[in-house]
Amino acid sequence: RKEVEQDPGPFNVPEGATVAFNCTYSNSASQSFFWYRQDCRKEPKLLMSVYSSGNEDGRFTAQLNRASQYISLLIRDSKLSDSATYLCVVNVNTGNQFYFGTGTSLTVIP
Amino acid sequence: DTAVSQTPKYLVTQMGNDKSIKCEQNLGHDTMYWYKQDSKKFLKIMFSYNNKELIINETVPNRFSPKSPDKAHLNLHINSLELGDSAVYFCASSQIQSYNEQFFGPGTRLTVL
Repeated sequence: RKEVEQDPGPFNVPEGATVAFNCTYSNSASQSFFWYRQDCRKEPKLLMSVYSSGNEDGRFTAQLNRASQYISLLIRDSKLSDSATYLCVVNVNTGNQFYFGTGTSLTVIP
Repeated sequence: DTAVSQTPKYLVTQMGNDKSIKCEQNLGHDTMYWYKQDSKKFLKIMFSYNNKELIINETVPNRFSPKSPDKAHLNLHINSLELGDSAVYFCASSQIQSYNEQFFGPGTRLTVL
């Protein structure tokens, strides 16, 4: 079983739509959780960390459910510039073991 | 002022050759990593070094040998290249702490012919 599982999509949504991505992880000892964004032919970059209480950054909201071992990312009012692949990332041992999901592809259509 | 840099950006070579990819970070981080991203876009960790010491060595053929001359550099040497080694290789760095952000280099696109 993979450490981190994501629906690869693709998700094709119109501008202004709200879209949600989900991710599950298998190791209950996981400590830190993140969403990274990767544009085509570029390196991954941190979008936001995911904290136990849930957190929001502008149009982006991340949630963590430790009991269900589940992470989500909600994007409101989608922009064309949100088109990218969104990677769910889990850190098992602080600083050492990062596991990436396969990524969810999002295309925002005019 | 690139935080994590890799060279070369593109590498095209024949099967059986030996090649190296260099990585440098100027962030003062104590941990560096090598990842492989295959054609299906799956990003898999290969190695992790903390202060020049190997921490993680995932199931990677021993044709791959990382070398860390100091904590700002982590190079990847690959012997006897095979077709299946074709991928994008990303170097990254971070500090060891909870909720530590990883900073990635721009990637090296390796094509083995």
